[in-house]
Amino acid sequence: GAGVSQSPSNKVTEKGKDVELRCDPISGHTALYWYRQRLGQGLEFLIYFQGNSAPDKSGLPSDRFSAERTGESVSTLTIQRTQQEDSAVYLCASSLVLGPRNTGELFFGEGSRLTVL
Amino acid sequence: QKEVEQNSGPLSVPEGAIASLNCTYSDRVSQSFFWYRQYSGKSPELIMSIYSNGDKEDGRFTAQLNKASQYVSLLIRDSQPSDSATYLCAVKTGANNLFFGTGTRLTVIP
Repeated sequence: GAGVSQSPSNKVTEKGKDVELRCDPISGHTALYWYRQRLGQGLEFLIYFQGNSAPDKSGLPSDRFSAERTGESVSTLTIQRTQQEDSAVYLCASSLVLGPRNTGELFFGEGSRLTVL
Repeated sequence: QKEVEQNSGPLSVPEGAIASLNCTYSDRVSQSFFWYRQYSGKSPELIMSIYSNGDKEDGRFTAQLNKASQYVSLLIRDSQPSDSATYLCAVKTGANNLFFGTGTRLTVIP
């Protein structure tokens, strides 16, 4: 597609349920980021994928959070046993890689708004 | 200490004035610096990138970088109501990670 695509756009779930969020990056962008943005707050880094390198998981807030990426395309972010504090917009972004480094110029999807009741 | 710090604002300026947004960062080896704009309810979009000390101009926007002071700023000349948004400073570390500040909310008053 022309841009970063995320689904679902909105998800309402009950506390304790598992949720899965999907991101389809721009074709050719081998770098992919997940961020969390709580209402009125900044972007909180969660995880970063680049090509076949080991992902940088340093931002995942707990072991309830995990993410995978299939090759250099689709990524899924899974939150197990959701809590009310997980309510936020989850943003995915992709970036072009030139040589050994990515450009750092991120293109964001529209986000997945998660509400945990 | 946060990686990237910004004044949260809100910052209000009259239409036609210069808006000045500031950002400091903690990692001295950071090499790449970005300003993103985020309208309410929308995703961030890149408006400026800067990689070396000094000024970089693009239309009404000027980014300024001072690596010695670990400081980056964004000036918006002839501010318009359509510039009203949250401006996010982002810094790329040597590990290729990208950290964002909490953003400064700008309101341009007609």
